Amino acid sequence: SAVISQKPSRDICQRGTSLTIQCQVDSQVTMMFWYRQQPGQSLTLIATANQGSEATYESGFVIDKFPISRPNLTFSTLTVSNMSPEDSSIYLCSVVTENEKLFFGSGTQLSVL
Amino acid sequence: AQSVTQPDIHITVSEGASLELRCNYSYGATPYLFWYVQSPGQGLQLLLKYFSGDTLVQGIKGFEAEFKRSQSSFNLRKPSVHWSDAAEYFCAVRGGGSNYKLTFGKGTLLTVNP
Repeated sequence: SAVISQKPSRDICQRGTSLTIQCQVDSQVTMMFWYRQQPGQSLTLIATANQGSEATYESGFVIDKFPISRPNLTFSTLTVSNMSPEDSSIYLCSVVTENEKLFFGSGTQLSVL
Repeated sequence: AQSVTQPDIHITVSEGASLELRCNYSYGATPYLFWYVQSPGQGLQLLLKYFSGDTLVQGIKGFEAEFKRSQSSFNLRKPSVHWSDAAEYFCAVRGGGSNYKLTFGKGTLLTVNP
């Protein structure tokens, strides 16, 4: 299995600011994803974090708003930029291990005032 | 495009009663299907998954699910619910091969009455 450390676990931010969420895995993984779960909603895929190259974004999500980095096979960050109250959500990191198992981090609960 | 429908937003059962949570999917080929559980303030925990083979899948915590291709369904069942099963349950689908992107249903909130 993979142990995923996602930080911060929660934060309260002011509108117009940015927050960077970190996802650290205890082993090398082949794929990393970022999901968003808006209040009372299901999980929606934001993007696939590609190691050493630009992330691949899903429809409705753009790099300027959600820049993603993945400098190596165990670490990725998601930044929520220029936040508004509509960005209040749980953000989850997900990884696929080398033996093709998928795991989720415990999530970052973000509240924007 | 793949999609998942969970028709029941909220279900309430009594402790000890049986449970069935419905899930219908849309996918052009044989799907990979999952059920996850999310407790308040917790991350997602995988209950079970179906890739191929036996259409009745056993999972953790006494849960099982049955894949019915003819009905495009993957309903989750438990014969006797415990109070600790109260949580949100998500059905998810992905394509085969190296397509690991999951599409989730909107979830079913389970309340368990004592």
